[in-house]
Amino acid sequence: GQQVMQIPQYQHVQEGEDFTTYCNSSTTLSNIQWYKQRPGGHPVFLIQLVKSGEVKKQKRLTFQFGEAKKNSSLHITATQTTDVGTYFCADNTNAGKSTFGDGTTLTVKP
Amino acid sequence: NAGVTQTPKFQVLKTGQSMTLQCAQDMNHNSMYWYRQDPGMGLRLIYYSASEGTTDKGEVPNGYNVSRLNKREFSLRLESAAPSQTSVYFCASRRTSGVLSYEQYFGPGTRLTVT
Repeated sequence: GQQVMQIPQYQHVQEGEDFTTYCNSSTTLSNIQWYKQRPGGHPVFLIQLVKSGEVKKQKRLTFQFGEAKKNSSLHITATQTTDVGTYFCADNTNAGKSTFGDGTTLTVKP
Repeated sequence: NAGVTQTPKFQVLKTGQSMTLQCAQDMNHNSMYWYRQDPGMGLRLIYYSASEGTTDKGEVPNGYNVSRLNKREFSLRLESAAPSQTSVYFCASRRTSGVLSYEQYFGPGTRLTVT
């Protein structure tokens, strides 16, 4: 079935450094969602991207959807300790269902 | 609004025991989902329900049954628990409209251990 591959699996950064996680698919995605899960918590929705080449920003977070709609990225500028957690992308191409990537776990050293 | 609630929060079972995980949402969402999350494996869909009265298998349905009791409630049953079912279980719901899918709202999770 449809799969989304996320890289890297883990990322350790010093506070203040930037962070990027990538989500890739071999097939065209209709839209993609990003979620954040804090340690011990549940996934929380961040954003949805629908259009080819779309770029959306939320404060220090920048989300991009590729021109071919086969990849997406989440970039965090100047990480803070509050950014720790696992970031998931989710493909919603199959109506009603989502396929989640395995996530990128971010740790931030103060 | 409470959002998505799940009970219990923690459960320990012996191999072969049965149990039902309960989930309810108060957002009038038509679609509901059950996922399991194992370390480093992301979220895997067990079953989902696109609307009241309908259920469909997801990626890993073996060993589980579900029931969409009404629009609010979606339960997950383990008939004969196995150690491989040790995991964190999340229920989620969202509004869907035709081919449009909106964000999912997740419950706090049930941490299940099968010994």
